[in-house]
Amino acid sequence: GESVGLHLPTLSVQEGDNSIINCAYSNSASDYFIWYKQESGKGPQFIIDIRSNMDKRQGQRVTVLLNKTVKHLSLQIAATQPGDSAVYFCAENPYTSGTYKYIFGTGTRLKVLA
Amino acid sequence: DAGVTQSPTHLIKTRGQQVTLRCSPKSGHDTVSWYQQALGQGPQFIFQYYEEEERQRGNFPDRFSGHQFPNYSSELNVNALLLGDSALYLCASSLGKQRGGGDTQYFGPGTRLTVL
Repeated sequence: GESVGLHLPTLSVQEGDNSIINCAYSNSASDYFIWYKQESGKGPQFIIDIRSNMDKRQGQRVTVLLNKTVKHLSLQIAATQPGDSAVYFCAENPYTSGTYKYIFGTGTRLKVLA
Repeated sequence: DAGVTQSPTHLIKTRGQQVTLRCSPKSGHDTVSWYQQALGQGPQFIFQYYEEEERQRGNFPDRFSGHQFPNYSSELNVNALLLGDSALYLCASSLGKQRGGGDTQYFGPGTRLTVL
């Protein structure tokens, strides 16, 4: 069935280092992907998105890479800061299949060590 | 520019009761999606409303129903509450298209529902 999974449930990084959060997806029909950050007690916050016709997209301190061949998505955070500590979700939307819903995985917790 | 707002923030109910949660979309958005997020898990899609109609539904029983108003705000109703309905209920808004998705969804802060 459809699923979005994550390789690492918890990732600990030193402040100032780069972080890489990985995500595997199983639906080859997925066309649109978003990374969300969720802090404790809050709703998911949009970080960056990418469409299936791209393999890389950069934002402020963040980069998303998409490898459609192996159905893999990653989020790179440069110079990780304490405020980056949160749970990160990738979400997929196979919209050309007529699906409006986003499919989320269980998330990766990022811990930034001082 | 107001983002997505939800009310109430927290709610405590007992089994068998009914609950109504409310959502106002981000300014300029016309589509509202509802998700249920159990503790330690990712959000699960309940349904999406566009043009005041439910246009897609996830794997949730009929006890979960909704409504969208002409001003694009939305309500989620849950009847005959079960203990397992305890969760964070998230509303997401987007600028819908008539066909297909691929619209960026922006989430509200959620309503924490506890069923005793």
